[in-house]
Amino acid sequence: AQTVTQSQPEMSVQEAETVTLSCTYDTSENNYYLFWYKQPPSRQMILVIRQEAYKQQNATENRFSVNFQKAAKSFSLKISDSQLGDTAMYFCAFMKFTSGTYKYIFGTGTRLKVLA
Amino acid sequence: ETGVTQTPRHLVMGMTNKKSLKCEQHLGHNAMYWYKQSAKKPLELMFVYSLEERVENNSVPSRFSPECPNSSHLFLHLHTLQPEDSALYLCASSQEGRSNGYTFGSGTRLTVV
Repeated sequence: AQTVTQSQPEMSVQEAETVTLSCTYDTSENNYYLFWYKQPPSRQMILVIRQEAYKQQNATENRFSVNFQKAAKSFSLKISDSQLGDTAMYFCAFMKFTSGTYKYIFGTGTRLKVLA
Repeated sequence: ETGVTQTPRHLVMGMTNKKSLKCEQHLGHNAMYWYKQSAKKPLELMFVYSLEERVENNSVPSRFSPECPNSSHLFLHLHTLQPEDSALYLCASSQEGRSNGYTFGSGTRLTVV
């Protein structure tokens, strides 16, 4: 069975600094997708970044980038130039195609606080 | 708004009450989902509807009853709930067959007293 582990329940970072959130997963699949979602106090889950497992190049979206290590089954999120609006829960998620549909497995989340 | 709207935003109900949660999407998606989010736990998938047919029910107690009358609307009917059912209930939608991820609503915070 697939699992997703986020070992950092809470983190904090100074505004304008860089922070890295860790995520590891366990799977025997070769083709899958990985995601980071952000859940601010408004509670809506917002897609931050997506990585296809067959692509070696790390995904980047503005200040957000990932370090995808397929062999190590690691998928960390780096936030550069942190902003107060980045304060949120961050969820790592694994997705695979099975039985005709895409299915997610989520981690337990990391609560990030950006300090002024 | 996000494209996925959930109402009500907050709900407090007694264990003998009957209530319903509503989810609506105008993104043209053909799959909709109910998730339960509890503190310090991964999101739990409750129900999946694809093309208005239920395709998955992850062993959810019968006190939760979903309804999907069309591709834009999804309901979760609640009756005789327990205090441990208190959680954030999230609705999401997607286009089946695409790996772009889901679009989530802002959830209904449910408290069972």
